[in-house]
Amino acid sequence: DTEVTQTPKHLVMGMTNKKSLKCEQHMGHRAMYWYKQKAKKPPELMFVYSYEKLSINESVPSRFSPECPNSSLLNLHLHALQPEDSALYLCASSPLGTGGLVGELFFGEGSRLTVL
Amino acid sequence: GNSVTQMEGPVTLSEEAFLTINCTYTATGYPSLFWYVQYPGEGLQLLLKATKADDKGSNKGFEATYRKETTSFHLEKGSVQVSDSAVYFCALTRGDSGGGADGLTFGKGTHLIIQP
Repeated sequence: DTEVTQTPKHLVMGMTNKKSLKCEQHMGHRAMYWYKQKAKKPPELMFVYSYEKLSINESVPSRFSPECPNSSLLNLHLHALQPEDSALYLCASSPLGTGGLVGELFFGEGSRLTVL
Repeated sequence: GNSVTQMEGPVTLSEEAFLTINCTYTATGYPSLFWYVQYPGEGLQLLLKATKADDKGSNKGFEATYRKETTSFHLEKGSVQVSDSAVYFCALTRGDSGGGADGLTFGKGTHLIIQP
């Protein structure tokens, strides 16, 4: 299984809602990532988890709250978002340690979020 | 930090034309280099990669060579097809690719349009 699965694929929420994006991988990768991608722009790193611990937070507003409950799952909890947070949210995973795959990210299809 | 500069499009070519998309980078240490492709409405797929100087990555007729002396990783294909129409991102590891999870830094992306 070489897939990263993200749900939901589309999400529409109001500014007062609380929702979550979910990501799952079964490749045994111990690093997982959240990226944000606006239309016609490159992906921007938000968070990195290494061995289920948050290792990088790129100064993301606290209305985005990541969670890594185990080595296969990654969540992004959303609360009190703004319309400018509308974007494609991409999850990725990668192996850790040495070897040819280090640094290579495997991406999911993304969750397209619209904030009204 | 590490950064990537790639030619911005759109790049419009006729089918069977030769393709070059330029990519140069700035980095400390020895990053790994990647080309990712994104088709409309989809996530990112790894196209090819190179992990050290003079390595050539290749896949589906695409090639790129890690040139440390010119800090470049240009993408080439000898004969493009309509199905190659997509956005292409050059990327490099954000930190020293020594086994850690630093994520990738992406170029701005090049929109490639192939006309029949």
